Amino acid sequence: GAGVSQTPSNKVTEKGKYVELRCDPISGHTALYWYRQSLGQGPEFLIYFQGTGAADDSGLPNDRFFAVRPEGSVSTLKIQRTERGDSAVYLCASSLISGGSNTGELFFGEGSRLTVL
Amino acid sequence: AQKVTQAQTEISVVEKEDVTLDCVYETRDTTYYLFWYKQPPSGELVFLIRRNSFDEQNEISGRYSWNFQKSTSSFNFTITASQVVDSAVYFCALKVETGKLIFGQGTTLQVKP
Repeated sequence: GAGVSQTPSNKVTEKGKYVELRCDPISGHTALYWYRQSLGQGPEFLIYFQGTGAADDSGLPNDRFFAVRPEGSVSTLKIQRTERGDSAVYLCASSLISGGSNTGELFFGEGSRLTVL
Repeated sequence: AQKVTQAQTEISVVEKEDVTLDCVYETRDTTYYLFWYKQPPSGELVFLIRRNSFDEQNEISGRYSWNFQKSTSSFNFTITASQVVDSAVYFCALKVETGKLIFGQGTTLQVKP
């Protein structure tokens, strides 16, 4: 597709369950970001990949959160032992790295809305 | 610290009024980029503009204009002759040297007919 694709668009789960959220970036974009957005708040940075490796994972709130991007394209955000406070919209974005420098704008997907009951 | 502050939580104007959205940032990096994004009710973030730290020229795009002042660490956004379709949440963001993009809390703009 032309844009960033995120699945599922909605996920309802029970407290304590494991959840995976998938992001398919724009073809050719080597940088991939995950953000979390709670109601009425700005997007909160979680993790950023350049290629397959996490360039900055300083935003992951705790060790229940983990993300992978094994082939440098699709990424999966994994949340273990979900808590009610994890309920939010999880946004994925990708950008182009030009000349070795990541200066481009981020293109966002529509997000995955996670509700933990 | 690296931070973006949008002090205005909500602004309400009547159509055709001009409105300015404030953004103040903090970073120790010498090279950085500033962005504005729009988030309409549908939820998807839409890119509006990018400026780098070495280019302080103001920019105008139709009814939109941006004023970047390094001396005050501000990157304000003005909408001239606002329209109902401008109603959205607007986010200012700072991209630092590592590539991380940090968002402000957003300003909700309501334009009434």
